[in-house]
Amino acid sequence: GQQLNQSPQSMFIQEGEDVSMNCTSSSIFNTWLWYKQDPGEGPVLLIALYKAGELTSNGRLTAQFGITRKDSFLNISASIPSDVGIYFCAGPGTSYGKLTFGQGTILTVHP
Amino acid sequence: GAVVSQHPSRVICKSGTSVKIECRSLDFQATTMFWYRQFPKQSLMLMATSNEGSKATYEQGVEKDKFLINHASLTLSTLTVTSAHPEDSSFYICSARSANSPLHFGNGTRLTVT
Repeated sequence: GQQLNQSPQSMFIQEGEDVSMNCTSSSIFNTWLWYKQDPGEGPVLLIALYKAGELTSNGRLTAQFGITRKDSFLNISASIPSDVGIYFCAGPGTSYGKLTFGQGTILTVHP
Repeated sequence: GAVVSQHPSRVICKSGTSVKIECRSLDFQATTMFWYRQFPKQSLMLMATSNEGSKATYEQGVEKDKFLINHASLTLSTLTVTSAHPEDSSFYICSARSANSPLHFGNGTRLTVT
């Protein structure tokens, strides 16, 4: 089946630093999604990518859909304490509406 | 934007009892909803696809008789954990989408079985 490999698994950074995480897939995707999950809550959509090569920003967040359609990265610039959480990449699963999730990147930001 | 409401947010039950979790799409009609399970510090694992007006489709390894799903209307799906046991303790999350939008998730239900 489809697999997503997300890295790094965790990051410990200082406030103000930039962050980068990425996902690679075993198959070609036509959509890449990036979600953030705060503790005890459901994931919230950050950025959706629909086209190979697409670069999209949402405030301090920037995500790109890789040209090969098998990878994507998410960057966070000038991190702040509220960026803490788990970030997941996701791509379409084997049928309509299903998502396959990466393993998640746990981000800790030290003030 | 689309909002998905999940209730309750937390529930504690005794072993052997059943628990019902509701998932509602508040401002759109969702013909399909999804139920996920998440263990601490792990990713979301799809349990089943809930289809309005028909039977749910379960992922491999998920017991359909234990996790009963009912999608009674275009805005409501319920997950009932029957005869719950401590190993069923987990974070359950639903999601829904309309025709032209990515998935939106509920805020999850923390189930603790004692």
